Amino acid sequence: DAGITQSPRYKITETGRQVTLMCHQTWSHSYMFWYRQDLGHGLRLIYYSAAADITDKGEVPDGYVVSRSKTENFPLTLESATRSQTSVYFCASSGGETGRDQPQHFGDGTRLSIL
Amino acid sequence: GQNIDQPTEMTATEGAIVQINCTYQTSGFNGLFWYQQHAGEAPTFLSYNVLDGLEEKGRFSSFLSRSKGYSYLLLKELQMKDSASYLCAVVDSNYQLIWGAGTKLIIKP
Repeated sequence: DAGITQSPRYKITETGRQVTLMCHQTWSHSYMFWYRQDLGHGLRLIYYSAAADITDKGEVPDGYVVSRSKTENFPLTLESATRSQTSVYFCASSGGETGRDQPQHFGDGTRLSIL
Repeated sequence: GQNIDQPTEMTATEGAIVQINCTYQTSGFNGLFWYQQHAGEAPTFLSYNVLDGLEEKGRFSSFLSRSKGYSYLLLKELQMKDSASYLCAVVDSNYQLIWGAGTKLIIKP
C-alpha cells in the first residue's frame, strides 16, 4: 500500500541518549519533512529534504540530525536527547516542484518522551 | 516577522454551520492550505487556495482574499466527527510553509 509510515509510534528514553525516528514513504515524493508539534505551537519544521542527499534546516534544527541516502527514507536522529525535545514528531512527504505547491501527506507521528 | 492568526477554540452545534477564520501577515504569498487534525492523529489535507474566491468541496468550503490577507474554512451540516483542530498554513514568497497554531473545534449535540 502506498503511504508514509513512521516508527516507532511511541518511545520513552532518558536524557543524553541517542534516539532515531524512522520515516518511510512509498509515493516516490521528492520532498520530505520533519516537524515537531507541541501544545500552544503550530507545527514547527525541523529539517526538510528536496531529494536524496539534499537536506536543509528548518525553523528548529538544533539538536537534530537527518540524512537521506535513499528517496524513500528520511530518518531523524536526536544525538543527545534533552527534556525539551519531548514532543510529537511528524514526518511528511510532498510532490510538486517546491514541496509546498501540493499537499503534504503526514505519517501517524511518533510520541517521544524524554525523562 | 511572519504571522498567522486563528482563534484558539470554537464551539458549535451539530447540524449547524461554522466559519473558522485565518488571517496572515507573510512575506509574499504562494498559496494557503487547510488541514484537519483529530486528537492524537496526523493532519490530513482539506483544501488549497491560491486564487481569490470560494472553493467548495462537499460540506467544506474555503475562501481566500489575498488583498486582505484572509481566509476562512466553512463547515456546513456539522457532524460530531468534525470535532478536531483545523490548521491554516501559508506558503510565502520563498516557498516556505508557515503554520498557524490551529483552531480546536468542539461540536455539541
